[in-house]
Amino acid sequence: DTAVSQTPKYLVTQMGNDKSIKCEQNLGHDTMYWYKQDSKKFLKIMFSYNNKELIINETVPNRFSPKSPDKAHLNLHINSLELGDSAVYFCASSPTRTARVNTEAFFGQGTRLTVV
Amino acid sequence: RKEVEQDPGPFNVPEGATVAFNCTYSNSASQSFFWYRQDCRKEPKLLMSVYSSGNEDGRFTAQLNRASQYISLLIRDSKLSDSATYLCVVNVAGNQFYFGTGTSLTVIP
Repeated sequence: DTAVSQTPKYLVTQMGNDKSIKCEQNLGHDTMYWYKQDSKKFLKIMFSYNNKELIINETVPNRFSPKSPDKAHLNLHINSLELGDSAVYFCASSPTRTARVNTEAFFGQGTRLTVV
Repeated sequence: RKEVEQDPGPFNVPEGATVAFNCTYSNSASQSFFWYRQDCRKEPKLLMSVYSSGNEDGRFTAQLNRASQYISLLIRDSKLSDSATYLCVVNVAGNQFYFGTGTSLTVIP
């Protein structure tokens, strides 16, 4: 059973198009994330949602709009795609930190987006 | 200033060697610490958590120095299968995971 699953795995699209990436987790976690990994392999946090509420928006262009219909899903919609958006986008989830301090994040397999 | 700083390497070591990776973090309010491993074209996966007292998992030893805001990972008796990128990760406020740029390791036969 896949714990964090995202679709599609690969996405090739033209500049200016609008596309969505879907993410679902079956771990019962309260917090979900979107990360962008660029060509230099740096994993940068984009958004964090806790129980469907936005916690972090790390200066991401407003062409990127996350949507969390419930705490098991966090989708990413991107408008007017640009060449610089080409990257691997990872969805992740983690349990809410309560008694356990070291709660890890679990990642999906990534979506490789190529804008041409 | 980045939340987490790592030497990107690459580190090329022979099988059986001992190799150490270091990282520093900027936010003194950071609460939990990890090393993740990422293989080529794969997602990051937890290698081990890092505890204040230091902890060991087989050939891997992690250390944390809160005063210096410094985290380390030691790999003993390197195997070919250890070749990967190792990511230093810091959790701030319980739900903000910040990653270092990763350190690339290649273990050579």
